[in-house]
Amino acid sequence: KQEVTQIPAALSVPEGENLVLNCSFTDSAIYNLQWFRQDPGKGLTSLLLIQSSQREQTSGRLNASLDKSSGRSTLYIAASQPGDSATYLCAVLNAGNNRKLIWGLGTSLAVNP
Amino acid sequence: GAGVSQSPRYKVAKRGQDVALRCDPISGHVSLFWYQQALGQGPEFLTYFQNEAQLDKSGLPSDRFFAERPEGSVSTLKIQRTQQEDSAVYLCASTPGGQGALGYGYTFGSGTRLTVV
Repeated sequence: KQEVTQIPAALSVPEGENLVLNCSFTDSAIYNLQWFRQDPGKGLTSLLLIQSSQREQTSGRLNASLDKSSGRSTLYIAASQPGDSATYLCAVLNAGNNRKLIWGLGTSLAVNP
Repeated sequence: GAGVSQSPRYKVAKRGQDVALRCDPISGHVSLFWYQQALGQGPEFLTYFQNEAQLDKSGLPSDRFFAERPEGSVSTLKIQRTQQEDSAVYLCASTPGGQGALGYGYTFGSGTRLTVV
């Protein structure tokens, strides 16, 4: 059974720091992995989608990497800003499970001015 | 439309009341999903539609939960005789591809926050 773990559960950093959020999964048979952002009381905003054949994806100050064989993904945020404060969730799409996303519990990020 | 739209944004229901939650997916998206997110938890899968066909409803917690997508576009999640444990955010997502096209990311709506009192 696929399990997704995110470390750390919470992170507080001063503005301007570069930071790394980690996501690990137990079953490497995935189609893709997606990083989302969730603001309090809001829905999910897709940040980056990495296909199983890809190693990384970049969007602005965000870079996500995928090492499928070791079951790991990292989300790198460069030059963090207070507006980056949110919960970051990773989700994997398993091969053969009828398109259900399997989710981590998220990393709650606070970027302090 | 430009994104996935859900209504209402907030719903307070008295215990035992029936509720209906609406999802308008991105136009032309084949696949539609409902997820339930309890406070402090990740989303939990409820059900999946490919066009009008409900291909997976294994995540629905009980027979009080019912979902439909009769014309393959708008979907409604209905909860009968609501209980306090039904309080959660209900999220809808859509993707362009169907069962055989798994390379697309999921676009989520803003969710409906249901509070049962």
